[in-house]
Amino acid sequence: NAGVTQTPKFRVLKTGQSMTLLCAQDMNHEYMYWYRQDPGMGLRLIHYSVGEGTTAKGEVPDGYNVSRLKKQNFLLGLESAAPSQTSVYFCASSFSGSTLYNEQFFGPGTRLTVL
Amino acid sequence: SQQGEEDPQALSIQEGENATMNCSYKTSINNLQWYRQNSGRGLVHLILIRSNEREKHSGRLRVTLDTSKKSSSLLITASRAADTASYFCAVESNDYKLSFGAGTTVTVRA
Repeated sequence: NAGVTQTPKFRVLKTGQSMTLLCAQDMNHEYMYWYRQDPGMGLRLIHYSVGEGTTAKGEVPDGYNVSRLKKQNFLLGLESAAPSQTSVYFCASSFSGSTLYNEQFFGPGTRLTVL
Repeated sequence: SQQGEEDPQALSIQEGENATMNCSYKTSINNLQWYRQNSGRGLVHLILIRSNEREKHSGRLRVTLDTSKKSSSLLITASRAADTASYFCAVESNDYKLSFGAGTTVTVRA
């Protein structure tokens, strides 16, 4: 099993450009998450999904959109990139939202720089 | 908002010593989890402790939870160079979302 994979690993954008980050998991997990990690701030939740066809806002959703058309994929879109979106982006998945089984599995991250 | 807050921010120890880091949170929780992140990598789940549990062990890891003080600690015994990483606590409150702290950076010196 590959676990959680993210594409691309690195990307440099100019202000105003758009891009999509792809997350894929092969563990048949229901729940998927997008986080951003900035120095000294830990991880902040951008958007999440509790199942195919569903999405919801997290702590810092502004400037991002997401889609979960297939259970195994979770896409994060930046429509008009801004320098404030320079960050490392992590995707994660979990079997369910149950308190008993909420261990999250993380991808390797995408390092995004917006100039 | 971040619920889990780790202390200290950074820790440097000699190989073979124990490392202890703490996590404090603000509201009631369903569970508390600890993750490790090696430089340039994603987070890896270490251990989950439920709100009705007080202590849990996994290999060289020992986690305690004191819900009356809203705090948790992670102890790594007999540290190794491979334990050099950042450690994050994450709390799950009344929903299934996790709130992460800023992490403790642990350096194990040979």
